[in-house]
Amino acid sequence: DAGVIQSPRHEVTEMGQEVTLRCKPISGHNSLFWYRQTMMRGLELLIYFNNNVPIDDSGMPEDRFSAKMPNASFSTLKIQPSEPRDSAVYFCASSDSNNYGYTFGSGTRLTVV
Amino acid sequence: KNQVEQSPQSLIILEGKNCTLQCNYTVSPFSNLRWYKQDTGRGPVSLTIMTFSENTKSNGRYTATLDADTKQSSLHITASQLSDSASYICVVTATGFQKLVFGTGTRLLVSP
Repeated sequence: DAGVIQSPRHEVTEMGQEVTLRCKPISGHNSLFWYRQTMMRGLELLIYFNNNVPIDDSGMPEDRFSAKMPNASFSTLKIQPSEPRDSAVYFCASSDSNNYGYTFGSGTRLTVV
Repeated sequence: KNQVEQSPQSLIILEGKNCTLQCNYTVSPFSNLRWYKQDTGRGPVSLTIMTFSENTKSNGRYTATLDADTKQSSLHITASQLSDSASYICVVTATGFQKLVFGTGTRLLVSP
């Protein structure tokens, strides 16, 4: 099992550009979560999906952020336009139906200059 | 309000020594409690998970305890190694919810 796979590992972009982060959950997991981690705020849940359907997006900071899960094996988090304050590490996690197999990916470190 | 508090915020110990990290929570109704280890630049990795009926669980040199009555948990690290240097995060889930409540973590540095 390759675990939760995120890409890219690092992204540096200029303010105003569109950024797309990608996640492949563990096969068989039916829930997927996007988190943002900063030194100041720790881990924050942005949005999560059950069976590819967005359940709770209350953590999405503003309309510049959007997430999709077109199928059970792929999800994207998009920021458009990006701003320097979006700089953080973004984690994707997936879990099975009983929530016991909760596993994080290695994260994408985003720097917006 | 569902909260998870951890102490200390940071800790420095000598290699080979033991240490204990604390976690207090107000999450209700309680479902399970996890301890994660997060190395710098990596994602959190699960060490232990405990449900209401479990009061201790071990994973190698890591032993977690849970007192559901006082809503407290601890993570004990035995014979620390340099590779134990990381952040340790306590995470609690409420019954019926999939959202995890994260503590702010304890940053541990094991010094040679």
